[in-house]
Amino acid sequence: RKEVEQDPGPFNVPEGATVAFNCTYSNSASQSFFWYRQDCRKEPKLLMSVYSSGNEDGRFTAQLNRASQYISLLIRDSKLSDSATYLCVVSLTGGGNKLTFGTGTQLKVEL
Amino acid sequence: DTGVSQDPRHKITKRGQNVTFRCDPISEHNRLYWYRQTLGQGPEFLTYFQNEAQLEKSRLLSDRFSAERPKGSFSTLEIQRTEQGDSAMYLCASSLGPGQSSYEQYFGPGTRLTVT
Repeated sequence: RKEVEQDPGPFNVPEGATVAFNCTYSNSASQSFFWYRQDCRKEPKLLMSVYSSGNEDGRFTAQLNRASQYISLLIRDSKLSDSATYLCVVSLTGGGNKLTFGTGTQLKVEL
Repeated sequence: DTGVSQDPRHKITKRGQNVTFRCDPISEHNRLYWYRQTLGQGPEFLTYFQNEAQLEKSRLLSDRFSAERPKGSFSTLEIQRTEQGDSAMYLCASSLGPGQSSYEQYFGPGTRLTVT
C-alpha cells in the first residue's frame, strides 16, 4: 500500500466549477500535511499547509481528518490557471524533514 | 534570482557512464534535500543534509548514488554506472532547519536525466 494515495484523475471541469480532491495517508504518526501544486514539467510549489482545524486561502480550502487519515482540498470558482497537478504531501515530523508525496491529481479547467 | 538553482537542467548520457548534478540552495537555508520524480509519479525522497551532515538516506539510494554537501552550502549528487531506470527528474529542495520560523521546502527546477 502506498504511503499517500490520491486519485490520479484527470479531473476535467468547466471554468467556475467547484472541485474537490481527496487523499489518504497510511502512517498515523504523520504530523505535517501539505498540498503542493506542480505545473507541467516544473518544480512543485507549496500551495498550502493543512491543519486539523481546516484552513482557507482565498478560493482554496484544505481539511484534515486525523482519525480517518484523510486530507482534502476544495477549489471554488476554478480558473483556467488552476490547471495543474495537485500533490498531497505528508511528513512524519513537525517539519524540516523529508516529505512523502502522493502521485498527484491532475486538474484541467476548461472554457 | 535567490531561489534554488540546479545544474545542468538536462543531461543525456549513455548507460554505464557517471553523471554529477549540482544544487545551490537558498543561501540562508541549512537543510537541503534530494528527490527523484518519474513520469506520472510524485517526487520520492532520496536524502537530506543538515548543513554538511547527511542525516537520512532512502533505500532508493543504491550504492551507485552518492550525495555530498562538503561546506554546508551547495550539494552534488553523483550517479555511477547509470542505468536506464535512473532516467528521471532529480529535484533539489532547501529549507530552514529546526527551531526556525518556517519549514517550507523550496524546490529547484530539477535536472532531467535521460539514460540511453
